[in-house]
Amino acid sequence: SQTIHQWPATLVQPVGSPLSLECTVEGTSNPNLYWYRQAAGRGLQLLFYSVGIGQISSEVPQNLSASRPQDRQFILSSKKLLLSDSGFYLCAWRGQASNQPQHFGDGTRLSIL
Amino acid sequence: SQKIEQNSEALNIQEGKTATLTCNYTNYSPAYLQWYRQDPGRGPVFLLLIRENEKEKRKERLKVTFDTTLKQSLFHITASQPADSATYLCALDIGGSYIPTFGRGTSLIVHP
Repeated sequence: SQTIHQWPATLVQPVGSPLSLECTVEGTSNPNLYWYRQAAGRGLQLLFYSVGIGQISSEVPQNLSASRPQDRQFILSSKKLLLSDSGFYLCAWRGQASNQPQHFGDGTRLSIL
Repeated sequence: SQKIEQNSEALNIQEGKTATLTCNYTNYSPAYLQWYRQDPGRGPVFLLLIRENEKEKRKERLKVTFDTTLKQSLFHITASQPADSATYLCALDIGGSYIPTFGRGTSLIVHP
């Protein structure tokens, strides 16, 4: 069966520090991969998605970036974090066929001090 | 662009009753509509998917309806239990797109 791993679960970082969140998927190949941010009481904001290795689409301009170095690995990064980067970050995968649901990781709670 | 509306107010019901959550959308009809459950501090979990040519879908105590004329989906939980308390998200997919559009979710609280 397919599983998705996202880490760390919680992270406290100072303003201006770098960021690296990692997400890996097991049990499937060539998944579509997604990074979302969810503010408290708000909906899911799509940040990046990828349909293949090295293919990244950005939905929201910001100081974050994403990379997909391997088929089932998706990384969210920042060189210098801002206070506004605080939030709940979720990674998700989806099969390539149409009408497929998304499967989410357990998220990373990021607090910027 | 597609807009999705879910009731922002929490739905409070008594255990054993049927919970009904609403998802309204504007503009074009989606090819698929999905419902997810999200517990605090966790990622959403997929529950049900319904296609535009389907009126109703069931899974155990869950039932989803899809009315493309009203541009609305209803999500029902029968014989609700306190363990059903969570936030429920609907998501629309126009088909052929990699990106579903999510609603903000409605919080359901089932009181014992």
